Amino acid sequence: GAGVSQSPRYKVAKRGQDVALRCDPISGHVSLFWYQQALGQGPEFLTYFQNEAQLDKSGLPSDRFFAERPEGSVSTLKIQRTQQEDSAVYLCASKSGLAGVYEQYFGPGTRLTVT
Amino acid sequence: AQTVTQSQPEMSVQEAETVTLSCTYDTSESNYYLFWYKQPPSRQMILVIRQEAYKQQNATENRFSVNFQKAAKSFSLKISDSQLGDTAMYFCAFIAAEYGNKLVFGAGTILRVKS
Repeated sequence: GAGVSQSPRYKVAKRGQDVALRCDPISGHVSLFWYQQALGQGPEFLTYFQNEAQLDKSGLPSDRFFAERPEGSVSTLKIQRTQQEDSAVYLCASKSGLAGVYEQYFGPGTRLTVT
Repeated sequence: AQTVTQSQPEMSVQEAETVTLSCTYDTSESNYYLFWYKQPPSRQMILVIRQEAYKQQNATENRFSVNFQKAAKSFSLKISDSQLGDTAMYFCAFIAAEYGNKLVFGAGTILRVKS
């Protein structure tokens, strides 16, 4: 595709509900990243995939957060039993596999509001 | 651990003027990359400019240029001939080449261009 796409753009969940956020990376990009951006703050790293392998999940804040990329393209970030502190914008980014290329290209994000 | 500091929460500039946004970082890595990203109110994070740490020459992209001072660990962004469309949040970001799987962002600087 032309760019990274994410859906939904907005999600309102009641506390305790499960949510699933989707990311479609740029076609051919092997690396995919999830970031969490609190209001007025810079994004913070959550997790990273290379193809279908999740190589780093050190940023996931709790075991309620789970991400997958089963076929090495589309990724889903799932949050179970949402809490109010989960309210944030969730950004997805992708990167090509070319050596020496470090630029990440971001999607528009999903704004999650937990009520 | 790497940290990125943007000490200017907000800046404003008159249209057609020049403005400089500050960024400092802390790392023990020798091979790394630095980026400036722009995030307009629409939320899409857009890459503005990149700098490889091993290059002494400052990067330039049209009206955007950086002042990279490696010894001082400083990476400022200069925007010349500011335009109303430059109004956005600007993030400085760092990535270590050896661990090229996560961007570390500063807290951001809101730039307002006034007509």
